[in-house]
Amino acid sequence: SAVISQKPSRDICQRGTSLTIQCQVDSQVTMMFWYRQQPGQSLTLIATANQGSEATYESGFVIDKFPISRPNLTFSTLTVSNMSPEDSSIYLCSVAADTSTDTQYFGPGTRLTVL
Amino acid sequence: QKEVEQNSGPLSVPEGAIASLNCTYSDRGSQSFFWYRQYSGKSPELIMSIYSNGDKEDGRFTAQLNKASQYVSLLIRDSQPSDSATYLCAVRRSNDYKLSFGAGTTVTVRA
Repeated sequence: SAVISQKPSRDICQRGTSLTIQCQVDSQVTMMFWYRQQPGQSLTLIATANQGSEATYESGFVIDKFPISRPNLTFSTLTVSNMSPEDSSIYLCSVAADTSTDTQYFGPGTRLTVL
Repeated sequence: QKEVEQNSGPLSVPEGAIASLNCTYSDRGSQSFFWYRQYSGKSPELIMSIYSNGDKEDGRFTAQLNKASQYVSLLIRDSQPSDSATYLCAVRRSNDYKLSFGAGTTVTVRA
């Protein structure tokens, strides 16, 4: 499976600010996803990061709040904008080799605390 | 109805026993099913995938799938303290390639 890294691994931010999380994969992958895991909860898909086009957002998530970039097949960023304490979560990227290989592998996650 | 439901935990089993985890799903067209293990403070790690009805064994883990009943389970045989974690059931949606996750079942193996 691919080796996935995320930066930063954790951060503490003030409300009203923004944080950009990076996800880097050691090989080209077709599919990249961003998830949120709130304390004690399961994973919720935020969006699919599409290379060369706008991300596809799940219901309840919007581009203005969670802008996503995917400049190539190995890298993506998620920005959490205008943060509030409710945004305190673990943010995870995951990858799948292609749409026919539906197995997803997760990065180590970014633990975000908003004060 | 939630897309993926797991038996509520936490589940506590003695070392050496079998831990049984259950998962039901609502999308009758789903064809791909996964079990992830998540240690506290870590990201989910894939431990099993299953696509066909029946059993699939990998070491001490056995996944069981019954599409007619929309049911998938995970058995952990000879449970070890290192198996103490939250186990997440994931189901691929039939209308796209994305995964829906259950809430997870926390397993504690008592030494």
